Amino acid sequence: AQSVTQLDSQVPVFEEAPVELRCNYSSSVSVYLFWYVQYPNQGLQLLLKYLSGSTLVKGINGFEAEFNKSQTSFHLRKPSVHISDTAEYFCAVTPRGAQKLVFGQGTRLTINP
Amino acid sequence: SAVISQKPSRDICQRGTSLTIQCQVDSQVTMMFWYRQQPGQSLTLIATANQGSEATYESGFVIDKFPISRPNLTFSTLTVSNMSPEDSSIYLCSAGGGGLYNEQFFGPGTRLTVL
Repeated sequence: AQSVTQLDSQVPVFEEAPVELRCNYSSSVSVYLFWYVQYPNQGLQLLLKYLSGSTLVKGINGFEAEFNKSQTSFHLRKPSVHISDTAEYFCAVTPRGAQKLVFGQGTRLTINP
Repeated sequence: SAVISQKPSRDICQRGTSLTIQCQVDSQVTMMFWYRQQPGQSLTLIATANQGSEATYESGFVIDKFPISRPNLTFSTLTVSNMSPEDSSIYLCSAGGGGLYNEQFFGPGTRLTVL
């Protein structure tokens, strides 16, 4: 079975500051990894995904994430955040060849002016 | 990618009644899923909607409470039966191509409040 732990339930940062949202996972098999964003009162939107190859993946809205197999982590980063980045961020994994997504608990990112 | 719509977007229902949520995908997809997101919580998979056969339910969810239909490759419904206030949640539909990468696309969700 797979599990996902997002280490911070809330992250407040100032506008234009860098941010890192942490995600660790557990799995006995190889997985695909995803970050989704949920803006207030909306559904989920895919930010980025790691399937294979380069461990640094770039997504939409200036976000990037780095896959670290030895530490089983997939942390999300952005060098300079904007007010519009205020949202809930979910890390998710799925075993290769399977169909189910397992989500972390979510991290609420709050941007202060 | 796939564009997914859900109806209704929100509803307020009375205890003991049932609500059917519709999910429409703009293209044929292999897999469709239903999730529940309770207030302030993450997403929990309710079931996988299988085209032409009974849905596959996750532990803790049963067909009598959450009957699901999937008559074709672009449409599915989830019914929340005999509702109680504990069923107040956001219900999200997702669709995946069932290909190599398991990427899922999500609908905007249905916000349900049970009084």
